[in-house]
Amino acid sequence: NAGVTQTPKFQVLKTGQSMTLQCAQDMNHEYMSWYRQDPGMGLRLIHYSVGAGITDQGEVPNGYNVSRSTTEDFPLRLLSAAPSQTSVYFCASSYSKDYEQYFGPGTRLTVT
Amino acid sequence: AQTVTQSQPEMSVQEAETVTLSCTYDTSENNYYLFWYKQPPSRQMILVIRQEAYKQQNATENRFSVNFQKAAKSFSLKISDSQLGDTAMYFCAFRTSGTYKYIFGTGTRLKVLA
Repeated sequence: NAGVTQTPKFQVLKTGQSMTLQCAQDMNHEYMSWYRQDPGMGLRLIHYSVGAGITDQGEVPNGYNVSRSTTEDFPLRLLSAAPSQTSVYFCASSYSKDYEQYFGPGTRLTVT
Repeated sequence: AQTVTQSQPEMSVQEAETVTLSCTYDTSENNYYLFWYKQPPSRQMILVIRQEAYKQQNATENRFSVNFQKAAKSFSLKISDSQLGDTAMYFCAFRTSGTYKYIFGTGTRLKVLA
């Protein structure tokens, strides 16, 4: 098992550009989440999904879109990047809400 | 709204000593889960220990144990026999039972000194 994989590892965007952060897991996990980590603020939940076709907003959803067309993949889309979206992004998954979350290695995004 | 507070931004401990990291939370819910995560310099998030609020017994995982005080809404992590590999950021997290929304604290940076 590869676990939770995220691509790319690093990305630099210009303000206004769009991009998709990829997240995939091969553990047949139903639950997946996206977090952002900023200095001094811990991890904050952006969006989460409890199964294919089902997504919901977390604490900081503005500026981000998600979809879950398959169990394995949960991409995060930035429609028009802003400097405030400079952060490290983590994807996580779990078998169910009562099971351990497994985190991906993170994507460091810089928006200039 | 639920909140998680870690009031110690940084701590240090001598190798082989014991250290306690503090965490307090605020919620009106009765059923919830509490977690401690470790983030070493590699950036990988690793679950250290979890506690179900309905369990009175404090969780233990090898050298890691918690002191869960439900009435005080306190959830501290004790690391015994500290090792250099324990050097990391430690995050306290909360989740209401029945939801998948995790709330994380701001973290405590722990440095274990040789």
